[in-house]
Amino acid sequence: AQSVTQPDIHITVSEGASLELRCNYSYGATPYLFWYVQSPGQGLQLLLKYFSGDTLVQGIKGFEAEFKRSQSSFNLRKPSVHWSDAAEYFCAVGEPMKTSYDKVIFGPGTSLSVIP
Amino acid sequence: EAQVTQNPRYLITVTGKKLTVTCSQNMNHEYMSWYRQDPGLGLRQIYYSMNVEVTDKGDVPEGYKVSRKEKRNFPLILESPSPNQTSLYFCASSLEDPYNSPLHFGNGTRLTVT
Repeated sequence: AQSVTQPDIHITVSEGASLELRCNYSYGATPYLFWYVQSPGQGLQLLLKYFSGDTLVQGIKGFEAEFKRSQSSFNLRKPSVHWSDAAEYFCAVGEPMKTSYDKVIFGPGTSLSVIP
Repeated sequence: EAQVTQNPRYLITVTGKKLTVTCSQNMNHEYMSWYRQDPGLGLRQIYYSMNVEVTDKGDVPEGYKVSRKEKRNFPLILESPSPNQTSLYFCASSLEDPYNSPLHFGNGTRLTVT
């Protein structure tokens, strides 16, 4: 069964510093890959997604992610973090080539704190 | 405003007392889904619906029921709630399917079962 791991439960960075959140998945083929963000007290919002093509994808709010097939990873990055980026970040995986596109598996999440 | 609306935001109940959490979307989305969020476990899918009158089990359906009689509404029913159903619940919708169009989430319902 496919799974998603996010090795870091919690990360703290200083405002203006760069950020990388890790995500690894287990699946034989190339799945659909997503990053969602959850701001405090709110639902999740899609930051970016990847399925095929350029392995470096750009998302909203200045985020980008890179798909590395050899490492089964899809890490999220941002060159300069803002205080408003403090939130919970979820990596998610979708299984391709199914007759019905119905299930997205979410990782456990990484909580990001930003120090002013 | 395009949105997914869940009610209530907070709910405290006792074991065995039937309850319903409502979910409504105004975006004419085909796909709707319920998730529960627990610390360290991320979001786990309870039930989903690809269209009206079409529902299917997710990963953790035990103790829950859903219905999709209208496109916009997807209520979550707990016939006999138990303390292990204490959790944060999210309803989400997508235009076609969650791979090709983003999931739009409600603001969540925090349920406590004593």
